[in-house]
Amino acid sequence: EAGVTQSPTHLIKTRGQQATLRCSPISGHTSVYWYQQALGLGLQFLLWYDEGEERNRGNFPPRFSGRQFPNYSSELNVNALELEDSALYLCASSWSLAGLYEQYFGPGTRLTVT
Amino acid sequence: AQSVAQPEDQVNVAEGNPLTVKCTYSVSGNPYLFWYVQYPNRGLQFLLKYITGDNLVKGSYGFEAEFNKSQTSFHLKKPSALVSDSALYFCAVRGSGNTGKLIFGQGTTLQVKP
Repeated sequence: EAGVTQSPTHLIKTRGQQATLRCSPISGHTSVYWYQQALGLGLQFLLWYDEGEERNRGNFPPRFSGRQFPNYSSELNVNALELEDSALYLCASSWSLAGLYEQYFGPGTRLTVT
Repeated sequence: AQSVAQPEDQVNVAEGNPLTVKCTYSVSGNPYLFWYVQYPNRGLQFLLKYITGDNLVKGSYGFEAEFNKSQTSFHLKKPSALVSDSALYFCAVRGSGNTGKLIFGQGTTLQVKP
């Protein structure tokens, strides 16, 4: 069974630009989650999508947004990039009824903002 | 507020010795608890979870965890450590309600020496 995949592996952007990160969940999983792992800040919950809808978002500004497509893959967009957005962005997926099931993580996208 | 604490930044053990990585939690309601492991430049790998039932939970790669409600702890254990177990370990708790959010501890680096 293929795991969660993310692309690109690395992304280098300049401050003020926009970044788009992509995630494909495990086959059969309908929920997709995004987390930010920044140095010194640990793992922070960003967004949760299920069945194409945004179900919850963490304490991040609106320039962090995303969507989930009909095939359950997902995209995270970060607008007006700031230096502190540099981090590893992890996508995870699970069966629906999110609380009952573990989340399976992808390898991450390393975003560097210069 | 819900939270997870991993009191040790690093744990050092000799190969073949038992290991324990500590985790305490604070939640309202019943806790849903998880352990993940992260190898360098990789995403998180799910090890085990506690939802309900037996206080001793067995997981992947010979790891197990003991849930203790009175001490609000969920310590990760392994009877005999391997050098290949050296990695960063995260304890997590599900956020209250069906939020999709996992709240992570700050992580504990496990170093197993030959």
